[in-house]
Amino acid sequence: AQTVTQSQPEMSVQEAETVTLSCTYDTSESDYYLFWYKQPPSRQMILVIRQEAYKQQNATENRFSVNFQKAAKSFSLKISDSQLGDAAMYFCAYRAGTYKYIFGTGTRLKVLA
Amino acid sequence: GAVVSQHPSWVICKSGTSVKIECRSLDFQATTMFWYRQFPKQSLMLMATSNEGSKATYEQGVEKDKFLINHASLTLSTLTVTSAHPEDSSFYICSARDPAAGAYEQYFGPGTRLTVT
Repeated sequence: AQTVTQSQPEMSVQEAETVTLSCTYDTSESDYYLFWYKQPPSRQMILVIRQEAYKQQNATENRFSVNFQKAAKSFSLKISDSQLGDAAMYFCAYRAGTYKYIFGTGTRLKVLA
Repeated sequence: GAVVSQHPSWVICKSGTSVKIECRSLDFQATTMFWYRQFPKQSLMLMATSNEGSKATYEQGVEKDKFLINHASLTLSTLTVTSAHPEDSSFYICSARDPAAGAYEQYFGPGTRLTVT
């Protein structure tokens, strides 16, 4: 069975600094997708970034980038120039052919002014 | 962008009653919708997969007779919590897959907070 592990329950970062959130996963599939979602206090799930497993190039979206290590089954999220609005719960998620998402336990990110 | 709505956003019901939560795709046809449950400070746990015109597929450990799912049209799926009890209090989130948008696109609704007294 597929699993997603986020080992950092909480992280803090100073405004304008860089922070990296960790995620590891386990799967026997070769074709899958990985995602990072942000959940602010409103509880609305917001897609931050996604990565197709067949792509070797790491995905980037403005201040957000990932370090995808397929052999190590690692998928970390780097947030550069952190802003107060980045404070939220961040969930790593895995999706394969059934379209079902498997979420990690989440990392609460605090941004310090 | 694709929008998924949920109604109501917050509902309080008495123990023993039933409550229905709606999930709608507003600008696309969703052949598949998913229902998640999120307890406070916890992750999202998939409850069931809802396919239009067919029976829902429930995850292991989810009581199908308690959580009734109906996907009667390509834009609407409903979750009915029957004979609700305080332990059913939770945040329920739906997501919808837009097959026209690509292999990975799913869109999440804003969630429904259920409180059973």
